[in-house]
Amino acid sequence: QLQLQESGPGLVKPSETLSLTCTVSGYSISGGYYWGWIRQSPGKGLEWIGNIYHNRNTYYSPSLRSRVTISVDTSKNQFSLKLGSVTAADTAVYYCARGRPYGSGSFFDYWGQGTLVSVSS
Amino acid sequence: DIQMTQSPSSLSASVGDRVTITCRASQGISNYLAWYQQKPGKVPKLLIYAASTLQSGVPSRFSGSGSGTDFTLTISSLQPEDVSTYYCQNYNSAPLTFGGGTKVEIK
Repeated sequence: QLQLQESGPGLVKPSETLSLTCTVSGYSISGGYYWGWIRQSPGKGLEWIGNIYHNRNTYYSPSLRSRVTISVDTSKNQFSLKLGSVTAADTAVYYCARGRPYGSGSFFDYWGQGTLVSVSS
Repeated sequence: DIQMTQSPSSLSASVGDRVTITCRASQGISNYLAWYQQKPGKVPKLLIYAASTLQSGVPSRFSGSGSGTDFTLTISSLQPEDVSTYYCQNYNSAPLTFGGGTKVEIK
């Protein structure tokens, strides 16, 4: 059974870099799907951050592109998110998810439990 | 970017009612449209993809339709466990975009 689990600090200071890792179990991350990050600010809707393919092709939200890096470590079956220069507006629950690919797009069929990251000094 | 607009933003209906939620794309996306259900405090769950294909394990009272710019999610007979917020998502191409959500409550 495929499972995804986010890990990383729950508190990040303003202007610093948010770093999260998603560990995938029950499926090889090299298996031909996208691996994505989605966030949800408190009380708000879903916002796509970006996707990575196992060959390391990446797609990012235009509004976050200048601050985001998504990478993959196939040896550990993990992928990671780095978001730089964070502000309070980046406070959100961050989800990792598996994306079924359609060209550069995908929908998400498996999700992690989500991790709340707060940005505060 | 393609904008996704859902309506209504919230609704209240009785158990057994037929419920319809609309999602409109700012430009044509063929049938590259997914629907998710998010129960309060829980993880989003995929309900429908390709506008009308039911994800495995999803009850048959859920259905989707549409193509191009206009899509609908229908719950044929609302159940108490359907209390959730529902989101549409465009996956025609990156950047991926979600609708603002529709909160469904029981009257």
